[in-house]
Amino acid sequence: AQSVTQLDSQVPVFEEAPVELRCNYSSSVSVYLFWYVQYPNQGLQLLLKYLSGSTLVKGINGFEAEFNKSQTSFHLRKPSVHISDTAEYFCAVSEQGAQKLVFGQGTRLTINP
Amino acid sequence: DTEVTQTPKHLVMGMTNKKSLKCEQHMGHRAMYWYKQKAKKPPELMFVYSYEKLSINESVPSRFSPECPNSSLLNLHLHALQPEDSALYLCASSQDGGGYNEQFFGPGTRLTVL
Repeated sequence: AQSVTQLDSQVPVFEEAPVELRCNYSSSVSVYLFWYVQYPNQGLQLLLKYLSGSTLVKGINGFEAEFNKSQTSFHLRKPSVHISDTAEYFCAVSEQGAQKLVFGQGTRLTINP
Repeated sequence: DTEVTQTPKHLVMGMTNKKSLKCEQHMGHRAMYWYKQKAKKPPELMFVYSYEKLSINESVPSRFSPECPNSSLLNLHLHALQPEDSALYLCASSQDGGGYNEQFFGPGTRLTVL
């Protein structure tokens, strides 16, 4: 069965600084990878996803992620963060042929002015 | 319309009550999901409906009973809940049940069991 590890539970950064949120996964088969964001008191919204092809994936709000198969990682990056990026970020994985989406424990991104 | 709506937004119920949560989407999606999310935790999958048939039940206690009356509606019937069932209940939908699909989430129902 697949599993996801988000290496940082909290990441504080200053506004306009770059940020990287780390995600590693484990699976014995090919996977699809996702990053979702959850703003306070809201549901989850898809930032980006990797299905196949180019390992660098661009998403909404200036975020991008790189799939690294050898390191089983899918880290999320943004070159310059804004106060409005304060939220909980979830990495998620789905195995090919499966319906189930498994989430990591989440990383709380806090932007300081 | 890329919205999933959930009602009610908040629900407080006693352990002997019967209540229902409702979820609706009009995107033509054929898969719908119920998740439970405790504070500061990730969503945990409860049920998946694919083409109006229950395809996944993650060993959820029988006091939670899902229902999919049609492809746009998903209900979660609640009976004899415990205080530990207090959580945010999220509904989601996707094009079909394939794992490659984006899931669209509703804002959730915040449930408190007294």
